[in-house]
Amino acid sequence: TQLLEQSPQFLSIQEGENLTVYCNSSSVFSSLQWYRQEPGEGPVLLVTVVTGGEVKKLKRLTFQFGDARKDSSLHITAAQPGDTGLYLCAGVPGGSEKLVFGKGTKLTVNP
Amino acid sequence: NAGVTQTPKFQVLKTGQSMTLQCAQDMNHEYMSWYRQDPGMGLRLIHYSVGAGITDQGEVPNGYNVSRSTTEDFPLRLLSAAPSQTSVYFCASRNRGLNTEAFFGQGTRLTVV
Repeated sequence: TQLLEQSPQFLSIQEGENLTVYCNSSSVFSSLQWYRQEPGEGPVLLVTVVTGGEVKKLKRLTFQFGDARKDSSLHITAAQPGDTGLYLCAGVPGGSEKLVFGKGTKLTVNP
Repeated sequence: NAGVTQTPKFQVLKTGQSMTLQCAQDMNHEYMSWYRQDPGMGLRLIHYSVGAGITDQGEVPNGYNVSRSTTEDFPLRLLSAAPSQTSVYFCASRNRGLNTEAFFGQGTRLTVV
């Protein structure tokens, strides 16, 4: 059973388009994180959202944490080929020390 | 800045062989973990440790053993390799706490034939 469900699993878009990736759970998380992974490398942290309803911006990337702290979204404005990669959401479920991941969204931005 | 170092980067094993994947971190992190990554499955937690001498199981622990004798090292042992263990393995470390950043090694690509 996957605690964190991500959608879509694959996304292929043209340069300049906008996109949103979702991370959902039936469990409450104290925080959720988003990582980006490039081929042959380990994941690298993009952001941590902690407060319900929180919105964080990282250049063209906007991250939101749901009010109930069960879901998060990643929105990319005017995508560029350099945004291509695997985007993973992660979090520590309540009462646990384990950092668990969703299955990821593989994004391809075509020039 | 070494961060998290995994060795080897590539390995081919025959079914039934055993081996140890090495992981070392130089950031004095208490928490270390092992994940496997398969196509379409994201990262699945194998085992983790919250400090020297303390280990616990993750989501997919069967067929793997770990130990944590020092803060720096967290080796993963495959007892009797099976083709189902063909995967890319990542080691990660982080400070304890709910919101801390995980730092990953570059991975070990293991093929069991």
